[in-house]
Amino acid sequence: GAVVSQHPSRVICKSGTSVKIECRSLDFQATTMFWYRQFPKQSLMLMATSNEGSKATYEQGVEKDKFLINHASLTLSTLTVTSAHPEDSSFYICSASLILDTEAFFGQGTRLTVV
Amino acid sequence: DAKTTQPTSMDCAEGRAANLPCNHSTISGNEYVYWYRQIHSQGPQYIIHGLKNNETNEMASLIITEDRKSSTLILPHATLRDTAVYYCIVRRGGNKLVFGAGTILRVKS
Repeated sequence: GAVVSQHPSRVICKSGTSVKIECRSLDFQATTMFWYRQFPKQSLMLMATSNEGSKATYEQGVEKDKFLINHASLTLSTLTVTSAHPEDSSFYICSASLILDTEAFFGQGTRLTVV
Repeated sequence: DAKTTQPTSMDCAEGRAANLPCNHSTISGNEYVYWYRQIHSQGPQYIIHGLKNNETNEMASLIITEDRKSSTLILPHATLRDTAVYYCIVRRGGNKLVFGAGTILRVKS
C-alpha cells in the first residue's frame, strides 16, 4: 500500500509554545489529507480536512486558530498546534488517499506531550 | 455516514479464525463498508472494504449480508500480532472516515 509518513513521532514541548507536525505522502500525490486526534483509550476524532492550495475545513468544535493547517504541496500537509497547553497532549494522526473514494492510508502518528 | 455497531471486545485463540461482526442497519446504497485496525500507539492500518459483494485479500475476508445491514470481517488464522482495535466504518465518497469505538480483539496463545 501507499506510504504516509509523519514527523516527528514524539514531541515534548513547553506550555505556551507552538509545535509543527508534518504529514507526507511518500510515493503518491494527495490532494486531500485528513488530521485526527486521539486521546488515551478513545477512538480517533476527525479534526480537519486539509486541501492542497486552499483553506482547511475544520470539524465542529475544533479551533482553527489553534490548530493551523497548511497544505502547500501535493505531498505535504502540516499541523501546527499554537500556544500549546497540557490539554492538547494527544496522539495526532494524518491520513491521505491516492485517489478520491479509495482506501485511506495513515501515518504512524505523533505523540504530543505538553508540559 | 451510516452509524455502525460493534462488540466492545472479543477473544480469539491463536491459529483460529477471528470473526468480527458489524451492524450497519442504516447503510444506504452508495455507502461502502471499510475495515481498519489500530495496533497500540500506531496509526490505523487499512484491511479491506466492500460495497455488496464479499471480498478477500491477503489479510482478511469481508462478508456482507445480502441486505447490507451487517458484515463480518474474518481473519482466517489469527496470530498474536493481530491483537488490535478493529474499526468498521461505513462511508459514502470523499475519503472522510468517521471512527466509532471499534472492537478490541485479543488473540491469546
